[in-house]
Amino acid sequence: KNEVEQSPQNLTAQEGEFITINCSYSVGISALHWLQQHPGGGIVSLFMLSSGKKKHGRLIATINIQEKHSSLHITASHPRDSAVYICAVRKRYGGSQGNLIFGKGTKLSVKP
Amino acid sequence: EAGVAQSPRYKIIEKRQSVAFWCNPISGHATLYWYQQILGQGPKLLIQFQNNGVVDDSQLPKDRFSAERLKGVDSTLKIQPAKLEDSAVYLCASSRGSTSGRWDTQYFGPGTRLTVL
Repeated sequence: KNEVEQSPQNLTAQEGEFITINCSYSVGISALHWLQQHPGGGIVSLFMLSSGKKKHGRLIATINIQEKHSSLHITASHPRDSAVYICAVRKRYGGSQGNLIFGKGTKLSVKP
Repeated sequence: EAGVAQSPRYKIIEKRQSVAFWCNPISGHATLYWYQQILGQGPKLLIQFQNNGVVDDSQLPKDRFSAERLKGVDSTLKIQPAKLEDSAVYLCASSRGSTSGRWDTQYFGPGTRLTVL
């Protein structure tokens, strides 16, 4: 079983819809990252969370440490939001402490 | 601040050939990472350098993959010989390097897309 699980794997939405991508993890972490990857491979860091909630423009990220769960929300989605969204956690303990463990990503397509 | 540079952006080779990728991290970043991302999966760490020393290479297939960061700045990743299953995007990332492992944001390069025929 992967230490970081994301759902859904693929998501198609209409422009303007509210989108939620979920991430669950099974290890103790010091931080959780949400990353955006556009076709061509480049990865951009959206958020780094250790508790609570962060907002940037139309993007909102929340984390519940007790439940080991995080969500990424996109309000008023737009075709330019189409990308792969990746959840990654930084392990608190164990070998390679501090390294990121990645989920498989959620491929989002927003149709006009 | 210039970002992480990688070259080439794309490479197509036949199986059993050799290939090398280059990465130049952000200036001043002590930590450098190479990741392999197979289509449909998240990135997998291959090797992590702290300056010119290897911190973690536990997932590097050492029979065919090698990496070096001789002067603690730029790095090369080599595959020799390549197999079909090596087709992937190879991402380089760098970070300032935090001894506690916390709050150490990684900055990713654009990646090199390798296709092995």
